[in-house]
Amino acid sequence: NAGVTQTPKFQVLKTGQSMTLQCAQDMNHEYMSWYRQDPGMGLRLIHYSVGAGITDQGEVPNGYNVSRSTTEDFPLRLLSAAPSQTSVYFCASSYDRTQPQHFGDGTRLSIL
Amino acid sequence: AQKVTQAQTEISVVEKEDVTLDCVYETRDTTYYLFWYKQPPSGELVFLIRRNSFDEQNEISGRYSWNFQKSTSSFNFTITASQVVDSAVYFCALSGNNAGNMLTFGGGTRLMVKP
Repeated sequence: NAGVTQTPKFQVLKTGQSMTLQCAQDMNHEYMSWYRQDPGMGLRLIHYSVGAGITDQGEVPNGYNVSRSTTEDFPLRLLSAAPSQTSVYFCASSYDRTQPQHFGDGTRLSIL
Repeated sequence: AQKVTQAQTEISVVEKEDVTLDCVYETRDTTYYLFWYKQPPSGELVFLIRRNSFDEQNEISGRYSWNFQKSTSSFNFTITASQVVDSAVYFCALSGNNAGNMLTFGGGTRLMVKP
């Protein structure tokens, strides 16, 4: 049982480049979300989805896009990378709002 | 808006000491859920406990216990007889009725248990 799988685990980008962080879950969860973790600030919600075809913005959505074409996948796109987007990114999923979120292992992203 | 505050950024204890991690939250929702997650040095996030706003019973799981008090909007976490393996960053989080019920995290408390 893979749970929540994030790829890649590490990535270095140059300012202005674009890329997609992949997230897939095999638990048939409706709720999926992306967080970024910065030192001293805990995790902050970027975007989330409560089902296929439905996405919405979280606390820090600027510079990121998401889509949810299937229940399993929830990719996060950086449109034009900036140094301020250097962070660790976590994808999470849950069955519904009452249940704990399952987190992937994270993607460490550095933007030069 | 909802908010979670973990005022202790770092705590250092010696093995076998008891330690309490504080969590204070703010929300206007009447129904909400509180969580604790552990992030060991390897970086993954490990779920520890969930508590809903209607259940104020304290909970004990081995050396871990949680004290939920709605009157003070607190959900504190105590580790009894701490061990070196407890060294980690601990996050308190809140799920309310906004933002798809996603989690609002506190800033985390780094616990260092020395042998």
